[in-house]
Amino acid sequence: AQKITQTQPGMFVQEKEAVTLDCTYDTSDPSYGLFWYKQPSSGEMIFLIYQGSYDQQNATEGRYSLNFQKARKSANLVISASQLGDSAMYFCAMRGLEANNLFFGTGTRLTVIP
Amino acid sequence: EPEVTQTPSHQVTQMGQEVILRCVPISNHLYFYWYRQILGQKVEFLVSFYNNEISEKSEIFDDQFSVERPDGSNFTLKIRSTKLEDSAMYFCASRPLSFTDTQYFGPGTRLTVL
Repeated sequence: AQKITQTQPGMFVQEKEAVTLDCTYDTSDPSYGLFWYKQPSSGEMIFLIYQGSYDQQNATEGRYSLNFQKARKSANLVISASQLGDSAMYFCAMRGLEANNLFFGTGTRLTVIP
Repeated sequence: EPEVTQTPSHQVTQMGQEVILRCVPISNHLYFYWYRQILGQKVEFLVSFYNNEISEKSEIFDDQFSVERPDGSNFTLKIRSTKLEDSAMYFCASRPLSFTDTQYFGPGTRLTVL
């Protein structure tokens, strides 16, 4: 079984500062993938970044990076140089080797303050 | 850039009525999914579809739900007799074949059952 935990229901960050959104996971699968999605107030789910469990390096996509610590089972999202448009819900998700679908965490609402 | 599309964006129906939610996945993708998100909650997996049949389904996906790929492009979710608790945002998603491939989500259909 897969489990995703996001312990921060809400976070605030000053514009242009960096912010870290926490995500821990639990799985018995030897191979798995970790994903982050952004959900703005308009409701759509926007893919941000992917980390494979056997990837040697932490994933990066522009201002997004994933701080992957396999031994601690954590996959935190780091957003650098926050912008007002980053205000949204952020969901961490994982897919195990056996499962075909994504398991989502409860999300973190990020608010960027001007 | 190719994207998943969904229609309608918002559907209002009376309890007990049948609804069909439509999706057009990205054209070269092979796996198709339906997820739902009750207002303020996390995204939950409903069903996955591959090679013209259901590959996995969750406990939520009971006999009231069905999926179909009626032609080469559309992917539909039918709820036979809607209940108040079916009110949610319904997301369609698709991905290519590889395990590491990302699932791309459509913009969602907001279903309101009165």
